[in-house]
Amino acid sequence: KQEVTQIPAALSVPEGENLVLNCSFTDSAIYNLQWFRQDPGKGLTSLLLIQSSQREQTSGRLNASLDKSSGRSTLYIAASQPGDSATYLCAVGPWGGYNKLIFGAGTRLAVHP
Amino acid sequence: ETGVTQSPTHLIKTRGQQVTLRCSSQSGHNTVSWYQQALGQGPQFIFQYYREEENGRGNFPPRFSGLQFPNYSSELNVNALELDDSALYLCASSLRFSEIANYGYTFGSGTRLTVV
Repeated sequence: KQEVTQIPAALSVPEGENLVLNCSFTDSAIYNLQWFRQDPGKGLTSLLLIQSSQREQTSGRLNASLDKSSGRSTLYIAASQPGDSATYLCAVGPWGGYNKLIFGAGTRLAVHP
Repeated sequence: ETGVTQSPTHLIKTRGQQVTLRCSSQSGHNTVSWYQQALGQGPQFIFQYYREEENGRGNFPPRFSGLQFPNYSSELNVNALELDDSALYLCASSLRFSEIANYGYTFGSGTRLTVV
């Protein structure tokens, strides 16, 4: 059974800090790992997708790494801004023989000026 | 290219009633999945439709049912609503399985259902 855990559950930092959000999964037989951003009460916005054969992906100030053998992924946010405040979710998939994503509970990030 | 659109955005229903939520998939996507997200938790998989057939189901009772139409849009129906059904319902569209690894999923903005 695949389980996804995200640490920390919540994070509050001053503007400008570099951040690392952690995601771990129990079964390394994944096809990809996707990081999403969710603003309060809103849907999910895809940030980065890392295929199982890849080690990392970058988009602007965001960098995500994947270590399948250890069951870990990290999302690195450089020079954080108040606009980065949101919940960040990681998900592994597809799982269960069809297109199912398994999500962590998320990290709630607050960046204050 | 249009994204995934969901309607309505908010809904309030009374316990025991029935509700229908709607989703239009992203252009070119033929697979639609529905997720339930309770407050403070990650989304949980309800079911998935591919070419108008249910292609997988999570741990949800039969009163959660769905449809997919020839244009790949989809409906989620919930009968006999319970208070615990209050959640954000998310629709995600994707390409078929063999292409998921490369392209992932696109989510809509969700429907906030409140059962009173």
